[in-house]
Amino acid sequence: EVQLLESGGGLVQPGGSLRLSCAASGFTFGSYAMSWVRQAPGEGLEWVSAISGSGGNTYYADSVKGRFTISRDNSKNTLYLQMNSLRAEDTAVYYCARECRLASTTVGFDYWGQGTLVTVSS
Amino acid sequence: QSALTQPASVSGSPGQSITISCTGTSSDVGSYNLVSWYQQHPGKAPKFMIYEGSKRPSGVSNRFSGSKSGNTASLTISGLQAEDEADYYCCSYAGSTKGWVFGGGTKLTVL
Repeated sequence: EVQLLESGGGLVQPGGSLRLSCAASGFTFGSYAMSWVRQAPGEGLEWVSAISGSGGNTYYADSVKGRFTISRDNSKNTLYLQMNSLRAEDTAVYYCARECRLASTTVGFDYWGQGTLVTVSS
Repeated sequence: QSALTQPASVSGSPGQSITISCTGTSSDVGSYNLVSWYQQHPGKAPKFMIYEGSKRPSGVSNRFSGSKSGNTASLTISGLQAEDEADYYCCSYAGSTKGWVFGGGTKLTVL
């Protein structure tokens, strides 16, 4: 059974940093690209960042580029999101999601974790 | 403001059919056959319902169907059931620089 378990969320002051983790199990982690998707309270979903299975390619939404860094440790089956220079508008539940790939093309996000809440406030 | 436009809410009675639209641009929905749909119940993670505009992952009821025409994608739910009451989000690939874009979500109420 595929499982994704996020951790690392919490309350942080504006300008602060936080590192989120996503522990994966039930599938060959290194064979799948992964993404982070966030959801502000009462709002919709927003794609944040993605990383290829090997970790060699990374992608970011404009809203976080230069502040967030996605990475992975395939030996530990774990995905990370390092968040720096946090702003109030980064307050959200952060989900990790496995990318569903068919014929070398990502067609969506087929498994999601339960999310971890990040609150940026003084 | 979300990149893709969805109606804020739709409603229907049990047994009826409803359709949720998702309007993008020629840079996302119109350019790629990579529209997906997600169902989200309150306090839960999103669930993968449709991919490539009209295909269902294994285990998703055939009451859910998708389509796309030009810059607009649609999700249709037939034979509405109480458990279908949830928020629904569309998503499209928007190229290597923008990545993935979501709609603002549609709240489905089963009357």
